[in-house]
Amino acid sequence: GESVGLHLPTLSVQEGDNSIINCAYSNSASDYFIWYKQESGKGPQFIIDIRSNMDKRQGQRVTVLLNKTVKHLSLQIAATQPGDSAVYFCAEIGTALIFGKGTTLSVSS
Amino acid sequence: DAGVTQSPTHLIKTRGQQVTLRCSPKSGHDTVSWYQQALGQGPQFIFQYYEEEERQRGNFPDRFSGHQFPNYSSELNVNALLLGDSALYLCASSAMAINQPQHFGDGTRLSIL
Repeated sequence: GESVGLHLPTLSVQEGDNSIINCAYSNSASDYFIWYKQESGKGPQFIIDIRSNMDKRQGQRVTVLLNKTVKHLSLQIAATQPGDSAVYFCAEIGTALIFGKGTTLSVSS
Repeated sequence: DAGVTQSPTHLIKTRGQQVTLRCSPKSGHDTVSWYQQALGQGPQFIFQYYEEEERQRGNFPDRFSGHQFPNYSSELNVNALLLGDSALYLCASSAMAINQPQHFGDGTRLSIL
């Protein structure tokens, strides 16, 4: 069935480093992907999205890369800050919004 | 501009009881989706409402039902509560257009004793 998964459940980085969070998806028919950030006690917060007709999209300090050939999605965070500590989910839109399990990003000063 | 608001923030119930959770969408949004998020897991899609009708449904039993009102707000009802229904229930809203990002509320934490 449809599923979205992340490669690593946790990622620890130092403040100022660049972070890369990966995601593999299984439904080749999906044409829209979203990265969400979820802080403790809060709902998921939209970070950036990308459509299948693109392979890269940049936002403020974040870049999403889409490789449709291997069905892989990544989120790059430049100059990671302590405030970036959270759980990050990739999600794909199939019949509904389908989330993976998430990667917990921990940023130490 | 208020975002998605949910009430209550926390709720404690016992097995067999019924619960109603409420959601007001972001201004300008007409579509509401509900998700269940178990501890340590990603949100799981329950159903989506648009024009006061359930449009899509995930793999949840009929004990989970909903409603959307003319002002686009929505309710999630769960009957015959089970211990396994303990979770964070998230509401997300969007404008009815293909592939628009959903905006989430902070959820209702439901605990079943």
